[in-house]
Amino acid sequence: LAKTTQPISMDSYEGQEVNITCSHNNIATNDYITWYQQFPSQGPRFIIQGYKTKVTNEVASLFIPADRKSSTLSLPRVSLSDTAVYYCLLHTGGFKTIFGAGTRLFVKA
Amino acid sequence: NAGVMQNPRHLVRRRGQEARLRCSPMKGHSHVYWYRQLPEEGLKFMVYLQKENIIDESGMPKERFSAEFPKEGPSILRIQQVVRGDSAAYFCASSPPGVLTNNEQFFGPGTRLTVL
Repeated sequence: LAKTTQPISMDSYEGQEVNITCSHNNIATNDYITWYQQFPSQGPRFIIQGYKTKVTNEVASLFIPADRKSSTLSLPRVSLSDTAVYYCLLHTGGFKTIFGAGTRLFVKA
Repeated sequence: NAGVMQNPRHLVRRRGQEARLRCSPMKGHSHVYWYRQLPEEGLKFMVYLQKENIIDESGMPKERFSAEFPKEGPSILRIQQVVRGDSAAYFCASSPPGVLTNNEQFFGPGTRLTVL
């Protein structure tokens, strides 16, 4: 499975937009890009998934350029409760899912 | 519709004892995954099971660890003769049957194992 690279940590303030970029230079044709969120002492939670261009749901937006070698998770107007670890993953139609170290987002008041 | 259930939430064992971790998937889900997470690290895949079958156990240590998902009842992750290095959070996830492109996995709250 292709590897992903994302920043170890990020800080932000309440009300700001946060963009977390993930690099996946060796993404395969069949790979989908998926983001999970994990709060302390909880299991991860699916946020959003995309294949190309832009995907938006009630929680976040996912921007994927044409070459698909990177992706950006965008969280609009973050709040303190968005403090969590965010994981960028790649997987095909198979079931094995590889989590990296993730990005620790800390939102300050 | 209850989510993924794991029990116990916290488990303390002494070195050499056995640990049994249970996972009940979401209703209608036939795929179960186990992950291990050390403090300040990401989740490490251990094993993927379907009912009565181990599909992928490439992340499971060859010794002392075993997993099952019987036709009836929860999935069990069993660790024999625990050592201090087994102390971690163990998460179970489930997904519905069929081959899905998005493969969203639903995670339980985890079991925190502490080996004294």
